[in-house]
Amino acid sequence: TQLLEQSPQFLSIQEGENLTVYCNSSSVFSSLQWYRQEPGEGPVLLVTVVTGGEVKKLKRLTFQFGDARKDSSLHITAAQTGDTGLYLCASLGVFGQGTRLTINP
Amino acid sequence: SAVISQKPSRDICQRGTSLTIQCQVDSQVTMMFWYRQQPGQSLTLIATANQGSEATYESGFVIDKFPISRPNLTFSTLTVSNMSPEDSSIYLCSALRAGTSGPSSYNEQFFGPGTRLTVL
Repeated sequence: TQLLEQSPQFLSIQEGENLTVYCNSSSVFSSLQWYRQEPGEGPVLLVTVVTGGEVKKLKRLTFQFGDARKDSSLHITAAQTGDTGLYLCASLGVFGQGTRLTINP
Repeated sequence: SAVISQKPSRDICQRGTSLTIQCQVDSQVTMMFWYRQQPGQSLTLIATANQGSEATYESGFVIDKFPISRPNLTFSTLTVSNMSPEDSSIYLCSALRAGTSGPSSYNEQFFGPGTRLTVL
């Protein structure tokens, strides 16, 4: 079973700052998904990355897939309080531990 | 994306009883899954619900405790049997749908809103 390691597990920053969350594996991902989950709701799919070196942007969120397809990152620019939540990476139904992000006003 | 609904959204149950959670997808999907999630933590896969055959369970989960049905390509149920307080958790239904990105094909997972179960 592929193991996904996410870091950091917890992150608390001020509104307006930038941040990066990482997802790593010792195995090659066929594809990788990033999710955001708010309390009381199921995870919501943000993006799927498939090709090594791929970069996808979703407003202030930038997702990168490593060239070797073993790692991925999520970068948020000028974080807002609405970005607060649990961010999860996943591949083939296996999930990382998650990053609990808190954006303070 | 796929729209997934779950019933009930939450329940409080007595020890020793059973609860069946229903999951409905708005379109036919290839695969459906059931996950468990403790508040603030990541998701743990319970089983894959196979249409027309027995579910495939992950290590640590057994059919007697978590019987699953999948009578068609849009519906599945998970039963939590003989509940104890340790079964208190959020139970999530998920469905897999194929996607494409240029020449590449892949599968995307979508989730229902979850069922928050509390066992007293």
